[in-house]
Amino acid sequence: QQQVKQSPQSLIVQKGGISIINCAYENTAFDYFPWYQQFPGKGPALLIAIRPDVSEKKEGRFTISFNKSAKQFSLHIMDSQPGDSATYFCAAIGQGGSEKLVFGKGTKLTVNP
Amino acid sequence: KAGVTQTPRYLIKTRGQQVTLSCSPISGHRSVSWYQQTPGQGLQFLFEYFSETQRNKGNFPGRFSGRQFSNSRSEMNVSTLELGDSALYLCASSELDLYYEQYFGPGTRLTVT
Repeated sequence: QQQVKQSPQSLIVQKGGISIINCAYENTAFDYFPWYQQFPGKGPALLIAIRPDVSEKKEGRFTISFNKSAKQFSLHIMDSQPGDSATYFCAAIGQGGSEKLVFGKGTKLTVNP
Repeated sequence: KAGVTQTPRYLIKTRGQQVTLSCSPISGHRSVSWYQQTPGQGLQFLFEYFSETQRNKGNFPGRFSGRQFSNSRSEMNVSTLELGDSALYLCASSELDLYYEQYFGPGTRLTVT
């Protein structure tokens, strides 16, 4: 059972465009939703995260939008750059660490110059 | 602070053998989690250790085991290797009260032939 569903699997955008990656979850015990960025040959790196009591969080060009009622959240990358080309994973975890960190399948983003 | 380190970075083993992977967490981090990453299944949680105790375990067979030492360093062991165990094994560490902010190492690429 996939607890976090992520789409699309791959995404190609032009430099300067907006990249949007969507995730949906089922477990209402999740209370923290991080996004990770992974470059080839590297481990995932925490990019940005949000709690369900906030509808939006912005850090630089990266924004998370959260819809608690729909159990969906998304990552928006504004002014996408070739250096943003990587695989992005959404994830979710519950209170007290009792829930393990579960990941979406990942989205391979390619930003063309 | 130095990041999470994992050794070795690459490993080639033969089916039926066993392997031990090592992880040194960020200084001060006492929680260590292990993940398996494959193209087909994505990132899957193996287990989590805190203060030398396994707190959480994923859905993997008993061939996969781990332990944590008093200095928070952790090892994972896979016995009777199968071809399907070929994967990138990632270790992540976090502070106790910030369990949700997990910092990943570069991983150990295990190839089983």
